[in-house]
Amino acid sequence: GDSVTQMEGPVTLSEEAFLTINCTYTATGYPSLFWYVQYPGEGLQLLLKATKADDKGSNKGFEATYRKETTSFHLEKGSVQVSDSAVYFCALVYTGGFKTIFGAGTRLFVKA
Amino acid sequence: NAGVTQTPKFRVLKTGQSMTLLCAQDMNHEYMYWYRQDPGMGLRLIHYSVGEGTTAKGEVPDGYNVSRLKKQNFLLGLESAAPSQTSVYFCASSSWSPQETQYFGPGTRLLVL
Repeated sequence: GDSVTQMEGPVTLSEEAFLTINCTYTATGYPSLFWYVQYPGEGLQLLLKATKADDKGSNKGFEATYRKETTSFHLEKGSVQVSDSAVYFCALVYTGGFKTIFGAGTRLFVKA
Repeated sequence: NAGVTQTPKFRVLKTGQSMTLLCAQDMNHEYMYWYRQDPGMGLRLIHYSVGEGTTAKGEVPDGYNVSRLKKQNFLLGLESAAPSQTSVYFCASSSWSPQETQYFGPGTRLLVL
């Protein structure tokens, strides 16, 4: 079946470090891919998305590229801040589908 | 603009008790969803609705019922709570499909003893 696999956390970084959170997916078709972020005590918020192969989603310094050949959608940021501490979820949705498949989430801690 | 709100924020139930979780959105969205979030498992879809008066089963619907009598409200019911339903429940809405941005509520933490 379709699935999303994320790197296990927690990931702990110092402020201004480079961030990569790996996400790979298994899908029979061509889904849209998403990164959602969950700050402590809050619901999820859309961070960025990409709807087709080679698309790059970007927002707030974060970016991810839809790689069909490696079935990946890795999240990157060049310089993290303490305020980026949160849980990050990779997800996929098929065109015309009703179900979002979420990864297990990766917790990020950024130290000052 | 409140977005998506959920009531209550936290609840403790005994096994066999019933309760209803309320979700309300003020964005005039057609689609609404109920998810549960469990440690190490991400979010799983319980039920969803594509418009007023419609509901459908998601990935883990057993033990839950839903209703969408008004476009802005989506209710999740537990008729006879079980410890396995201890979880954090999130409601979300989107304008016309989950491919559009989903807007999430702050969550309801439910503990079933």
